[in-house]
Amino acid sequence: QVQLQESGPGLVKPSETLSLTCSLSGASISGYYWSWFRQPAGRALEWIGRVHRTGEIIYNPSLRSRVTLSVDTSTNHFSLKLTSVTAADTAVYYCGRDPGEWPSDIWGQGTMVTVSS
Amino acid sequence: DIQMTQSPSTLSASVGDRVTITCRASHSVRTSLAWYQQRPGTAPKILIHRASTLLSGVPSRFSGSGSGTEFTLIISSLQPEDLTTYYCLQYDSYPWTFGQGTKVEIK
Repeated sequence: QVQLQESGPGLVKPSETLSLTCSLSGASISGYYWSWFRQPAGRALEWIGRVHRTGEIIYNPSLRSRVTLSVDTSTNHFSLKLTSVTAADTAVYYCGRDPGEWPSDIWGQGTMVTVSS
Repeated sequence: DIQMTQSPSTLSASVGDRVTITCRASHSVRTSLAWYQQRPGTAPKILIHRASTLLSGVPSRFSGSGSGTEFTLIISSLQPEDLTTYYCLQYDSYPWTFGQGTKVEIK
């Protein structure tokens, strides 16, 4: 059974860097794209970007200047870094698997990140 | 970016009702449109992709239609477990964009 699990600090100070990891179990990270999403409380979902093991990365232009996505095939996980965070980055962050023919069909449970001093 | 507009934002219905949710795109997304269901405190679950293709295991009371800029999600006979929020997602062009969501409530 394929499972994804996000991990990272629940609290980040303003202007600092948010780092999250998504660990994959039950499958290889090869052969799929892997996406990140976020959702502020009570609001709609936002797609952050996606990464492939080949190094192909697509970013949402709204976050492009602050976000870095990467994938580590040796450890079967992929990561997100978001720099210069503000309160507007407070959200639940999700990772997801993209089969290619359709968008994310397997999601992590989500991890809440609060930006506050 | 392609803007996705869902309507209504909130929908009140009774168990057994036929429910229709609409999603409009600011530019054509062809049939690259997915529908997700999200229960409170949980990750979204994909129901439909390619505008009308049900994912395996999704009840047949869910159906999708449309192409270009107008899409519809229909629940043919609303069940208690369907009372939650639904989002459309266009994946025709980057950045992928979601609608603002439709919350289905009990009447």
